[in-house]
Amino acid sequence: DGGITQSPKYLFRKEGQNVTLSCEQNLNHDAMYWYRQDPGQGLRLIYYSQIVNDFQKGDIAEGYSVSREKKESFPLTVTSAQKNPTAFYLCASSTPGDTQYFGPGTRLTVL
Amino acid sequence: EDQVTQSPEALRLQEGESSSLNCSYTVSGLRGLFWYRQDPGKGPEFLFTLYSAGEEKEKERLKATLTKKESFLHITAPKPEDSATYLCAVQAGDSWGKLQFGAGTQVVVTP
Repeated sequence: DGGITQSPKYLFRKEGQNVTLSCEQNLNHDAMYWYRQDPGQGLRLIYYSQIVNDFQKGDIAEGYSVSREKKESFPLTVTSAQKNPTAFYLCASSTPGDTQYFGPGTRLTVL
Repeated sequence: EDQVTQSPEALRLQEGESSSLNCSYTVSGLRGLFWYRQDPGKGPEFLFTLYSAGEEKEKERLKATLTKKESFLHITAPKPEDSATYLCAVQAGDSWGKLQFGAGTQVVVTP
């Protein structure tokens, strides 16, 4: 079955710690995206990548970093510089400019 | 700046009681308007894409329509399994594929 997987489902971070969220897709999509979702707010774009070895900042990139070494994978690192990281993180992929399909999400909590 | 506003924020329906959700938008040259359904703790599930004013799409009890300023998601004779948050997003014509999301409408259908 084609789809997007995210791991882990739940993640806990201590103050000052970097954590990495995994996103893998087997839809053969060139474009991949990371969004953050907070209660009562719409999804906000963190980073996006339209092609391997290239990525761009979205609206709220501060405190986050990404890499795109493989077409299938787009991991997101939440660094210690992100002061309020507790949120639901969603990964999506698409043919560039076309419908975006989402993974199941990772819920990150700061202890 | 592109903006998307969804109303109402929450909607409680009796089973079989039809209703409509609104998504009003301001965007520089609409390329596409997207509807997603999101269950608690899960990633958004794609429902529809609308590209031009006057377009309509249907899927089971859901029908989406589009005008130059807004979109409606009509729920006909809803069932409890239609309970979810419905998200609207727009894609501007001058974007590379970036989506601007509304905050969503939470729908609860009671038996």
